[in-house]
Amino acid sequence: GAGVSQSPRYKVAKRGQDVALRCDPISGHVSLFWYQQALGQGPEFLTYFQNEAQLDKSGLPSDRFFAERPEGSVSTLKIQRTQQEDSAVYLCASSEVREQFFGPGTRLTVL
Amino acid sequence: GESVGLHLPTLSVQEGDNSIINCAYSNSASDYFIWYKQESGKGPQFIIDIRSNMDKRQGQRVTVLLNKTVKHLSLQIAATQPGDSAVYFCAENPGNKLVFGAGTILRVKS
Repeated sequence: GAGVSQSPRYKVAKRGQDVALRCDPISGHVSLFWYQQALGQGPEFLTYFQNEAQLDKSGLPSDRFFAERPEGSVSTLKIQRTQQEDSAVYLCASSEVREQFFGPGTRLTVL
Repeated sequence: GESVGLHLPTLSVQEGDNSIINCAYSNSASDYFIWYKQESGKGPQFIIDIRSNMDKRQGQRVTVLLNKTVKHLSLQIAATQPGDSAVYFCAENPGNKLVFGAGTILRVKS
């Protein structure tokens, strides 16, 4: 595909459910990033991969958040036992050198 | 990143006028800065970037100014069009991750 794609675009979960969000980066992009964007705010960094290696996970808010990129391409962000404060848009970005290209995001609503 | 909750500053301009959006960044070690445009329901879209060894960079209808002394960025949009209406974010790149500043809503009146 031409850009970063994310699925699902919208996800509604009941509090306590586990969710998995998928990111398909631009083909050949080595770096992949996850950001969380709360309503009315700028994106906040969650985690960063270079190929399959997770080099920075300092932004993950709790141990309920887990990300993986096992083959250095597609990445999944998993949130266990979702809470209402997890409601946000989750953005994925990929880059080849420095410019980061963003996907459309997954809007997660936890009821 | 900085956050302003639900009350993002808003800039309203008349179509055809020039727009100036300002941003303060926090990390004096940052050497790369980017402006993003975000429309409703979409991810941030790259507009223009600038490295710390420059103080001005021009693109098509857009200019970014960098003042490292006061850690300030501005984005100038010439001849603003209705399609420019969006939220604009500056971001600094002190390492691998992006740190976003507070957004500004740009509204273009026809």
